[in-house]
Amino acid sequence: RKEVEQDPGPFNVPEGATVAFNCTYSNSASQSFFWYRQDCRKEPKLLMSVYSSGNEDGRFTAQLNRASQYISLLIRDSKLSDSATYLCVVNRDSSYKLIFGSGTRLLVRP
Amino acid sequence: DTAVSQTPKYLVTQMGNDKSIKCEQNLGHDTMYWYKQDSKKFLKIMFSYNNKELIINETVPNRFSPKSPDKAHLNLHINSLELGDSAVYFCASSLSGSSYEQYFGPGTRLTVT
Repeated sequence: RKEVEQDPGPFNVPEGATVAFNCTYSNSASQSFFWYRQDCRKEPKLLMSVYSSGNEDGRFTAQLNRASQYISLLIRDSKLSDSATYLCVVNRDSSYKLIFGSGTRLLVRP
Repeated sequence: DTAVSQTPKYLVTQMGNDKSIKCEQNLGHDTMYWYKQDSKKFLKIMFSYNNKELIINETVPNRFSPKSPDKAHLNLHINSLELGDSAVYFCASSLSGSSYEQYFGPGTRLTVT
């Protein structure tokens, strides 16, 4: 079983839609959680951190549920430019090592 | 002003050859990483150096050897290339206190024929 699991998608949504992705992690000792974004044939970039209290950055909201060991990302009012792969990332023990999920692909259509 | 740069961007070579990929960052970071992203898009850490010291060394064949001549550079040398080495290799860097915020280079697409 992979340490970080994501639905690969693709999620195909119209512009303006709200879409949510979930991610589960298997190691209960995991301490920090993040979402990275990777455009097609490009490098990953940090999108946002995920805090226990939840956090919001514009149209993006991230939530953490430690009891169920899952992380979510909600995107409101989807834009064409949101089309990308969203990578769920876990830092197990505050070390330098990040564990990446294989990503969820989002396609936003006009 | 490229923050993390890698050369070459594309590398096509034959099985059995030896090749190197170079990485440089101008962000003033003290930690650098090599990742491999395979055809299934799974991104996996291979090595990490902090202030030129090896701190992460995952289960990687010893045909792969990283070298960090200084904090701003991290190179990856691969001996006796195999078909399964075909992937995109990403270099990344971060500051010690913010290791979760890693800045990635554009990637090197390696194809072994």
